[in-house]
Amino acid sequence: QKEVEQNSGPLSVPEGAIASLNCTYSDRVSQSFFWYRQYSGKSPELIMSIYSNGDKEDGRFTAQLNKASQYVSLLIRDSQPSDSATYLCAVDQGAQKLVFGQGTRLTINP
Amino acid sequence: DADVTQTPRNRITKTGKRIMLECSQTKGHDRMYWYRQDPGLGLQLIYYSFDVKDINKGEISDGYSVSRQAQAKFSLSLESAIPNQTALYFCATSGGHYENTGELFFGEGSRLTVL
Repeated sequence: QKEVEQNSGPLSVPEGAIASLNCTYSDRVSQSFFWYRQYSGKSPELIMSIYSNGDKEDGRFTAQLNKASQYVSLLIRDSQPSDSATYLCAVDQGAQKLVFGQGTRLTINP
Repeated sequence: DADVTQTPRNRITKTGKRIMLECSQTKGHDRMYWYRQDPGLGLQLIYYSFDVKDINKGEISDGYSVSRQAQAKFSLSLESAIPNQTALYFCATSGGHYENTGELFFGEGSRLTVL
């Protein structure tokens, strides 16, 4: 079992709808969680970080963390075609040693 | 100019050859990383370094070695390349002790093909 698991997709969502991306992790001591976005042919870039249970909102993006269930999610509201990308969940296993999931490919259909 | 620069950007080589991928950064960060990306497998950590004298193995270090020549330079070597090391390789950096945001800054990637 991989330490960080994501549904690889592809996930297809109509423009304007909510895209929901999920991630589970196996290391209970992890304290820091991140979502990276990677456009095709480009390098990953950080879009959200979350450290406490609950929700964290930043514009159209909301990250949700449930440490008891070892579950992290990313919601994208009012999805736009420019949100089409691969989304990578990353978990800090201590001292900024980030372990990534396999990524979920998201396509927003106009 | 990019803050994290990788060379070469593309390389085709043959089985058994020694290959070095180089990474340099102008961000002044202490921490540097090498990741490998294969389709459907996300990013896998090969090696990471928290300073010049601190180098650690990641998830998939077998067949790879690294050298941290200076704070700004971190090189990845494949001593005897094999076809299943064909992949996209990323170098990344992150801030020092007082910057615990977990944000990695990635280079543009080095695409390696081993025939």
